Amino acid sequence: EIVLTQAPATLSAFPGESVTLSCRASQSVGSDLAWYQQKPGQAPRLLIYAAAARATGFPPRFSGSGSGTDFTLTIRGLQSEDFAVYYCQQYNKWPPSNFGQGTKVEIK
Amino acid sequence: EVQLVESGGGLVQPGGSLRLSCVASGFSLNSYAMSWVRQAPGKGLEWVSGISGSGEITSYADSVKGLFVISRDTSKNTLFLQMNSLRVQDTAVYYCAREARWELGYNWFDPWGQGTPVTVFS
Repeated sequence: EIVLTQAPATLSAFPGESVTLSCRASQSVGSDLAWYQQKPGQAPRLLIYAAAARATGFPPRFSGSGSGTDFTLTIRGLQSEDFAVYYCQQYNKWPPSNFGQGTKVEIK
Repeated sequence: EVQLVESGGGLVQPGGSLRLSCVASGFSLNSYAMSWVRQAPGKGLEWVSGISGSGEITSYADSVKGLFVISRDTSKNTLFLQMNSLRVQDTAVYYCAREARWELGYNWFDPWGQGTPVTVFS
């Protein structure tokens, strides 16, 4: 089973700052990686798929990159609505389809 | 508009059963694989089970294999999760989610329902 490790667990930043979240896979997943945004009390929402394709409804300040075992999610110019928990998910090896443990982006 | 609405969660004692439902609108369950994903309180996301767009292929996480059964009623465009022999560790919010393709697995999930909470307490 592939293990996804996200870092950091919590990231504190000021609005307007740019941040980078990391997701590392225990073995190669090619580009089969997705990112989700989850706000308190809400369901996860697809943000990025195929490592770098942005889902409908998300602005260009969100970008994903990487392949193989190392992936990043970058948010440029944090807005108040971006403070949330972000999860990565691999779908290259199945079952199961695993998720990382999440990175919480909080206001500094 | 594509939408998923879950129901059926609640309080149950260990060893009990619950049946979760997920009504899909805006698309046909015949066209997409579907999955259940759960989230224990304060924890991350765990894939639980999935069913193909044909309904012929199902899969389960090791943690629920032999205990949970996924099914669907295409006439009602509704997905189900029958949960038997529930344990305290099954306590979570259960989300249904559409997979990206008709074929089960190897997919991202979009969209997700709002979730239905299940609490197993002794």
